[in-house]
Amino acid sequence: DAGITQSPRHKVTETGTPVTLRCHQTENHRYMYWYRQDPGHGLRLIHYSYGVKDTDKGEVSDGYSVSRSKTEDFLLTLESATSSQTSVYFCAISESGQVFENTIYFGEGSWLTVV
Amino acid sequence: DQQVKQNSPSLSVQEGRISILNCDYTNSMFDYFLWYKKYPAEGPTFLISISSIKDKNEDGRFTVFLNKSAKHLSLHIVPSQPGDSAVYFCAARRRDSSYKLIFGSGTRLLVRP
Repeated sequence: DAGITQSPRHKVTETGTPVTLRCHQTENHRYMYWYRQDPGHGLRLIHYSYGVKDTDKGEVSDGYSVSRSKTEDFLLTLESATSSQTSVYFCAISESGQVFENTIYFGEGSWLTVV
Repeated sequence: DQQVKQNSPSLSVQEGRISILNCDYTNSMFDYFLWYKKYPAEGPTFLISISSIKDKNEDGRFTVFLNKSAKHLSLHIVPSQPGDSAVYFCAARRRDSSYKLIFGSGTRLLVRP
């Protein structure tokens, strides 16, 4: 198993509060990603990072920010959580910038409920 | 605007029979396709992939077929086993942004003993 740890694994929070999800890897991979999974949509890319302090937006980045101050940690922050951000969040890592075969690995997911 | 579509949310198959999961795409810039398997409370795991220059790739019980003219791919599982019961995601990679994937909405496969 790829060394990916997501925390917290489950969280219930109130609308309007800030929330930070953490992804920690022990593989020293350069690329890290945050996806969200929702019924009827599959997984959608929120933000990704291609190195320390190098991040960019994915297809559903509104309402989210990220930071990567160390190779091993990629943080996803919901500045002011909304009910539409209730979802399962997956972190992923890859060594190269080219996804093919078994080169991207996913964490076990973080379940976030915004009430 | 879903660029990768899995139109069947669920599929139920008898053990030992063939499972066929389908995926359609709209973007001609996709050059590589992958299938992921996901069990409850776990992250997706890679299953099989195919390059756009091929029309078939086989790995044990799993075969992926690609029909570029129809922008369609399918995953065949033969014979199906109860342990194959999971959600299967089709994903595609664009040749101009090969570091990220576009996923379909998934198909939940149930293999009945």
